[in-house]
Amino acid sequence: EDQVTQSPEALRLQEGESSSLNCSYTVSGLRGLFWYRQDPGKGPEFLFTLYSAGEEKEKERLKATLTKKESFLHITAPKPEDSATYLCATNSNSGYALNFGKGTSLLVTP
Amino acid sequence: NAGVTQTPKFQVLKTGQSMTLQCAQDMNHNSMYWYRQDPGMGLRLIYYSASEGTTDKGEVPNGYNVSRLNKREFSLRLESAAPSQTSVYFCASQKGTDTTGELFFGEGSRLTVL
Repeated sequence: EDQVTQSPEALRLQEGESSSLNCSYTVSGLRGLFWYRQDPGKGPEFLFTLYSAGEEKEKERLKATLTKKESFLHITAPKPEDSATYLCATNSNSGYALNFGKGTSLLVTP
Repeated sequence: NAGVTQTPKFQVLKTGQSMTLQCAQDMNHNSMYWYRQDPGMGLRLIYYSASEGTTDKGEVPNGYNVSRLNKREFSLRLESAAPSQTSVYFCASQKGTDTTGELFFGEGSRLTVL
């Protein structure tokens, strides 16, 4: 059975304090690993897709990386507007659609 | 473009009542999905439709039915609501028919069953 585990559950950072969120996965035949951002009261918003180990993608202060067992979402010099819940999801040969982790709730304080 | 539109945004039901959540997308996507999101449980797939005319069960289908009315619309029906169905429901769409690729989500429908 595919599993996606995100850590930490919650993270509080000072503005400018860089950190990383972790997504560990166990799947049968990875077809893609996805990162989403979800603001309170809103639907998840797509950020990145990674397909193979060693792949990296960047968007503003966010950089996603992928290994054979985990993915990291690096946040460089975060700002308060980066506060949100970040969701990781996998798409694999044994499942359908996306299988989501429970998310990491990020709070960036001024 | 509106993307994925869900109605209603909020609903309160009594146990045993029925209702239908509506979802429409204007991106000409082939696949559509219904997820529910509960505190501490993450997003869980209820039903999906890989293409017009097909529907399949996801992880938590019990107590729900779906209809893919046409390529644009995918509705979720609760025939006899139960308190355990109190949740936030998200509809999503996907360009392809092979259940791969990113999903685009609506804003959610918040349902409370008393």
